[in-house]
Amino acid sequence: EVQLLESGGGLGHPGGSLRLSCAASGFSFGSFDMSWFRQAPGKGLEWVSAISGSGVNTFFPESKKGRFSISRDNSKNMLYLHINSLTTEDTATYYCARDSPPESHPFFDIWGQGTLVTVSP
Amino acid sequence: QSVLTQPPSVSATPGQKVTISCSGSSSNIGTYSVSWYHQLPGTAPKLLIYDDYKRPSGIPDRFSGSKSGTSATLDITGLQTGDEADYYCGTWDNSLRAYVFGAGTKVTVL
Repeated sequence: EVQLLESGGGLGHPGGSLRLSCAASGFSFGSFDMSWFRQAPGKGLEWVSAISGSGVNTFFPESKKGRFSISRDNSKNMLYLHINSLTTEDTATYYCARDSPPESHPFFDIWGQGTLVTVSP
Repeated sequence: QSVLTQPPSVSATPGQKVTISCSGSSSNIGTYSVSWYHQLPGTAPKLLIYDDYKRPSGIPDRFSGSKSGTSATLDITGLQTGDEADYYCGTWDNSLRAYVFGAGTKVTVL
């Protein structure tokens, strides 16, 4: 079964950092680009970052450059998101998702169940 | 303020049809394919439609997508109580260099 499972969420403090993990199974992980999204409580979806299948190329929207980093370990089928200098606005459920094939326009066909990050003093 | 504009809510009785619009611009919908996701309460988003109108395996043909110019549409026919969810359109925006979503549309089955 194709599956993504996030972990690493929890309580963070302003100015601190967190590392989120996403374990992939059931597909050839290294053959797919992967992305992170987040959803603040009661709000919509927001794309946070993406990484190429090889891990060489990373992508961020302008608003996420600087505090966010993405990485992957294809030998372990693991995807990571590092968030530095946490603020209360980072409070959200974070989802990892599998990207569409490279020849396609972007879409995301497999999503994890999400991990909740709460940033509070 | 979302880059893609969706109605906040739509509603209908069981068996009826609802239509959700998604309006964008030449830098996003006008250039790139649209995908649609639904999110049942308390769960992760799920892909419903990709490449404007294609359905992943397992998605019933009650769900259909279309696109014209800088707008896209999701139709749900034969509405069921299990369709109550938030629905999001998404696509790439070449000006923002980001994947963008609409704010979401809540579907209510009366």
